[in-house]
Amino acid sequence: DAKTTQPNSMESNEEEPVHLPCNHSTISGTDYIHWYRQLPSQGPEYVIHGLTSNVNNRMASLAIAEDRKSSTLILHRATLRDAAVYYCILRIVLIQGAQKLVFGQGTRLTINP
Amino acid sequence: DAGVTQSPTHLIKTRGQQVTLRCSPISGHKSVSWYQQVLGQGPQFIFQYYEKEERGRGNFPDRFSARQFPNYSSELNVNALLLGDSALYLCASSRGPLRVAKNIQYFGAGTRLSVL
Repeated sequence: DAKTTQPNSMESNEEEPVHLPCNHSTISGTDYIHWYRQLPSQGPEYVIHGLTSNVNNRMASLAIAEDRKSSTLILHRATLRDAAVYYCILRIVLIQGAQKLVFGQGTRLTINP
Repeated sequence: DAGVTQSPTHLIKTRGQQVTLRCSPISGHKSVSWYQQVLGQGPQFIFQYYEKEERGRGNFPDRFSARQFPNYSSELNVNALLLGDSALYLCASSRGPLRVAKNIQYFGAGTRLSVL
């Protein structure tokens, strides 16, 4: 499977933008890029996803490189509630038609007050 | 609307025993996936079921099995438990058909399994 590579940890200040990078150099043409975040003792929470174009939603923005080998999750104005482990994920379609999420190791984001 | 619900929340078993974990998907979702998350790592894909049929399987031994019921709920069974099976088991549900670009998997809070 193609895999993703992220920094182990990042730190930012409250009310400042945060840019979380991800490398996925072995991505194939049909793989979607997803971002989820996970708080302690909770399941992963969907943040955003895209295929080729940049995407925006109420939670974040996703910037995808033109060659699709990297992407960046952008939190425009971080709050203390954004502190979590952020996973950059590839959604892969299997031969049988199933779609599986391939998680990386994640980036632990700390937000300073 | 209720999200994905999993039961039990915590479970303690001993080596060699068998365990059954349960998952109820979001209303209207017909696909259920199971993931294993070992402490300190990202979740790993175990199975995906759609319309009661297995549609995909990850790299897990045959000790792991699952099924999906007519109401789209699902059970994950693990036989002959090993210490290494200790993990958070996550269930995710999504709409069908499977190839829709906006098909998002929504996770439950998981079942924490400890094997002693």
